[in-house]
Amino acid sequence: AQSVTQLDSQVPVFEEAPVELRCNYSSSVSVYLFWYVQYPNQGLQLLLKYLSGSTLVKGINGFEAEFNKSQTSFHLRKPSVHISDTAEYFCAVSGERLTFGEGTQLTVNP
Amino acid sequence: KAGVTQTPRYLIKTRGQQVTLSCSPISGHRSVSWYQQTPGQGLQFLFEYFSETQRNKGNFPGRFSGRQFSNSRSEMNVSTLELGDSALYLCASSLGWVSSHEQYFGPGTRLTVT
Repeated sequence: AQSVTQLDSQVPVFEEAPVELRCNYSSSVSVYLFWYVQYPNQGLQLLLKYLSGSTLVKGINGFEAEFNKSQTSFHLRKPSVHISDTAEYFCAVSGERLTFGEGTQLTVNP
Repeated sequence: KAGVTQTPRYLIKTRGQQVTLSCSPISGHRSVSWYQQTPGQGLQFLFEYFSETQRNKGNFPGRFSGRQFSNSRSEMNVSTLELGDSALYLCASSLGWVSSHEQYFGPGTRLTVT
């Protein structure tokens, strides 16, 4: 069995501030890890993925994430956020199926 | 390359009716998966189809069914609709099995059951 826990349901930040969205996972097998973003009334868009190799993964829109196997974490970071980053972010683990966390609502305030 | 398309985008149905949702994957993708998204339960996996065969199924009642055609297009059907079936239904496609390939999502079909 596999599961994903996103530790913060809501994260409010000011524009140009750094942000970290936290994600822990559990799985009995090797997994692939993903972060998706969902804007209002839209589907999910892939931000970045970890399949193997370097534990620091860079994605679109200036986001990056670090895979930490010993802590079973895959936290998402951005050094400076914009108003347009306001959206819901989902961490997901792919084993036999894609399992999502509950989501983190990131709100960027001016 | 065109993305994943879902039709219709919005749907209103009455309890007891049935509904069919359609998904066209990205060209060349052979796997299609379906998810239900609700505020209370989040994103839940419904089923995955690969080359017209159901490869995996989530924990949903038998009222939820699906199929995939030879051109990889997929449909899902919900019979005897209940109020709790109101949700955003998302379709995703990938080149191969979900377990080893990233998925690309469509915009979803918003189903409202009254």
